[in-house]
Amino acid sequence: GENVEQHPSTLSVQEGDSAVIKCTYSDSASNYFPWYKQELGKRPQLIIDIRSNVGEKKDQRIAVTLNKTAKHFSLHITETQPEDSAVYFCAAPRTGRRALTFGSGTRLQVQP
Amino acid sequence: ETGVTQSPTHLIKTRGQQVTLRCSSQSGHNTVSWYQQALGQGPQFIFQYYREEENGRGNFPPRFSGLQFPNYSSELNVNALELDDSALYLCASSSGDTDTQYFGPGTRLTVL
Repeated sequence: GENVEQHPSTLSVQEGDSAVIKCTYSDSASNYFPWYKQELGKRPQLIIDIRSNVGEKKDQRIAVTLNKTAKHFSLHITETQPEDSAVYFCAAPRTGRRALTFGSGTRLQVQP
Repeated sequence: ETGVTQSPTHLIKTRGQQVTLRCSSQSGHNTVSWYQQALGQGPQFIFQYYREEENGRGNFPPRFSGLQFPNYSSELNVNALELDDSALYLCASSSGDTDTQYFGPGTRLTVL
C-alpha cells in the first residue's frame, strides 16, 4: 500500500486480444491486492483479488499474478470483449488499515 | 449490486457552504471507508470508521469530518466548501475481519 503505481494509463486492444495492466506497490507488508472495474458514471466494482499466500488466481477470462519479491502485481484479461471497456484500478492496503490506496487507473478500450 | 447505498445521488453547492453525505453499509458490515474521486483519478482515502470510532485518516483537512451510527451507517460532512471539493464521493463497507471493500454508487458533488 501507501504508494501504488499503475501502467499503462490507456490501453486499446482489438476484440479477442489479451490485455495486461501492471501495478507496483511500496509497502512490503501489503498482503491483499484487489482489482476494480469502473464503468462511466458507475461505482468501482471488485472483479478479482489476490492475497499474498498465492502467486496467481484465475476467474474465467480474468487472472491476477503477484510477485512479492519485486512488489508488483498484474491483471490479465484474455479474449477481450467490447463490454470489458472501462477504467480498471489496482489497489493495496494502507499500512495498518483496512482501507485502500488506489492506482491512477487504466482506461481500457476494446475495439470491435 | 453490493447492498451499499448512498444519498443523495447528486448535489450542487456554492463555495463556503457545508454539505452532509450519507452511506448505509452492507448488512453485516461494521466498517465504512470514505473516498474522494476527482475526475480522471483513482479514489483517494478520506477516513474510515469502525464500530463508531474513526480508524484512520488520509491527507484531508479537518473540515472533512464524519460519523458512524450504531447501525453502522455513516455520514461525511464537509465544511467551508472549496471549488476543488467537486468530486465523486464514494463510501465502501467491509466487515471487521476482511480487507474486501464494496462500494456504494457515490454522490456527485459540484461546488460552484
